[in-house]
Amino acid sequence: SYVLTQPPSLSVAPGQTARITCGGYKIGIKSVHWYQQKPGQAPVLVVYYDTDRPSGIPERFSGSNSGNTATLAISRVEAGDEADYYCQVWGVSSDHEGVFGGGTKLTVL
Amino acid sequence: QITLKESGPTLVKPTQTLTLTCTFSGFSVNSSGVGVGWIRQPPGKALEWLALIYWNNYKRYSPSLKSRLSITEDTSNDQVVLTMANMDPVDTATYYCAHSSDILTGYFDFWGQGTLVTVSS
Repeated sequence: SYVLTQPPSLSVAPGQTARITCGGYKIGIKSVHWYQQKPGQAPVLVVYYDTDRPSGIPERFSGSNSGNTATLAISRVEAGDEADYYCQVWGVSSDHEGVFGGGTKLTVL
Repeated sequence: QITLKESGPTLVKPTQTLTLTCTFSGFSVNSSGVGVGWIRQPPGKALEWLALIYWNNYKRYSPSLKSRLSITEDTSNDQVVLTMANMDPVDTATYYCAHSSDILTGYFDFWGQGTLVTVSS
């Protein structure tokens, strides 16, 4: 089965840029979506189709995808960005199912 | 606006079948391109994709759970139902339903609040 690999944790100082990676075999040819989940809350879509942002998501959130790695970048990190972040792809096999990465806990120092 | 809400038992016994209902508003599951999916999250762990149904009755399941899952739609009541057979304590999790706008890439743009299901005798 297709595996998406994320670093378990990442720590960033306020005002810096956080880059959260999502590794997968030839992930660059798939569409990657990213979700933010704060404690006790449902996930929120922050990036879809690799680079697009839903309405209401700040421009500080951006995505890229190439080769075997997709990346979610959060610029000018704020305390409110502290959360778990998950990547997701679709159509990973002939079954066309979805899969999530293991998640990255972003800590704002 | 689009809203979704999960409902079902909070406690099930091992070997029982779990039935969860997702009641939604703000869209119709008959609308072209619309889908509803189920995702779960064991306490302290990552999200796990379970199943998805689209407006044209296109259904997909997690390969590892396919034999235990069934997803159906009740268009008259604006609901999608997930059943999971042969429940085990490892299935203890918060179960979310979510709206999908894209049959090609399956992203979830609106989520329910989730419902915690505990499997224990």
